[in-house]
Amino acid sequence: RKEVEQDPGPFNVPEGATVAFNCTYSNSASQSFFWYRQDCRKEPKLLMSVYSSGNEDGRFTAQLNRASQYISLLIRDSKLSDSATYLCVVTSLTGGFKTIFGAGTRLFVKA
Amino acid sequence: NAGVTQTPKFQVLKTGQSMTLQCAQDMNHNSMYWYRQDPGMGLRLIYYSASEGTTDKGEVPNGYNVSRLNKREFSLRLESAAPSQTSVYFCASSERGGSPNSYNEQFFGPGTRLTVL
Repeated sequence: RKEVEQDPGPFNVPEGATVAFNCTYSNSASQSFFWYRQDCRKEPKLLMSVYSSGNEDGRFTAQLNRASQYISLLIRDSKLSDSATYLCVVTSLTGGFKTIFGAGTRLFVKA
Repeated sequence: NAGVTQTPKFQVLKTGQSMTLQCAQDMNHNSMYWYRQDPGMGLRLIYYSASEGTTDKGEVPNGYNVSRLNKREFSLRLESAAPSQTSVYFCASSERGGSPNSYNEQFFGPGTRLTVL
């Protein structure tokens, strides 16, 4: 079982739709959680950190469920420019500092 | 402020050749990382340097060596390239790895696309 798992998609949605991605992680001692965005043939960039209380940044909402060991990303009112791959990232200190990237979920937003 | 820079952007090698990928950051970050990204695999950590003067193996270190030359620079060397090392290589840095969220954000360079024939 992979340490961080994501649905690879692709998710194809029309503009204005709401779309949600989930990510599960296997290490219960994981410390920090992030969503990164990666455009085609570009480097990953931080979209948002994920806090236990949940956090919102404009149209994006991230949530963490430690009991069930998953994090989620909700995108409301999708824009064409949201088309990208979304990477789930988990860090832990178990056995030394580790940052694990999920393989990513591809999103296509269509006009 | 250039952030994280990597050279070269593209490289084609023959099996058995050696090369060094260069990475530099100008954000005064303590921690630096080398990843490879393959289709369907996500980013996998090759080596990292938590601070100047230290380096540690990541998930896939075999066939690679690194040097943390100073606080700014972290290089990755392939001593004898193999076709299995065909990949996109990303360098990243963070203020301080293993610390609370605000210090963990990793900033990535634009990547090096390496093909080994």
